Amino acid sequence: GENVEQHPSTLSVQEGDSAVIKCTYSDSASNYFPWYKQELGKRPQLIIDIRSNVGEKKDQRIAVTLNKTAKHFSLHITETQPEDSAVYFCAAVRGYGQNFVFGPGTRLSVLP
Amino acid sequence: GAGVSQSPRYKVAKRGQDVALRCDPISGHVSLFWYQQALGQGPEFLTYFQNEAQLDKSGLPSDRFFAERPEGSVSTLKIQRTQQEDSAVYLCASSPKGGPNNEQFFGPGTRLTVL
Repeated sequence: GENVEQHPSTLSVQEGDSAVIKCTYSDSASNYFPWYKQELGKRPQLIIDIRSNVGEKKDQRIAVTLNKTAKHFSLHITETQPEDSAVYFCAAVRGYGQNFVFGPGTRLSVLP
Repeated sequence: GAGVSQSPRYKVAKRGQDVALRCDPISGHVSLFWYQQALGQGPEFLTYFQNEAQLDKSGLPSDRFFAERPEGSVSTLKIQRTQQEDSAVYLCASSPKGGPNNEQFFGPGTRLTVL
């Protein structure tokens, strides 16, 4: 089955700096890669996603890049703000299944 | 509109008790998912419904776990003879479509503590 690894497990950056979180997956059939943000005690919320026919997607300060050959994808947050502090989860989804496989999460702290 | 809701938000059970966790998905959403999230971990898939049909239950950890969605809307996750390792947050999510590769909208979760 699919296995998703995520690095780093914790990340601290100064406000205004960029943050990058990387995920790798094992199942070459996976073709949908969402990123979820979970604030302490709250539900996960989708922040951006990418499908396998696209190499990069951007939404304001957030971007995701996908390298299907290497089976890895990354979340990029620019001009970080304190409200970006949360746990971020990547996930991989197979094209013909509904089984989201989540990574273990990255705790991002944006220091003022 | 209203999002996904779950009840109860917190549940404390003695080891060996049965529990039932409820999920109310967003109205009209076809797909419904259950996840188990241990402290400090990512959500782990338990089971998936498309309308009332349970299409995938490969993530259920044992036969003590049972889920149903009899009318294709509200779903219940039942855990029989709870054990301490069942302690976790149980998340429900729904998706508007039945096909793959769609955003899932999560509920707030039910935190289950088994003593």
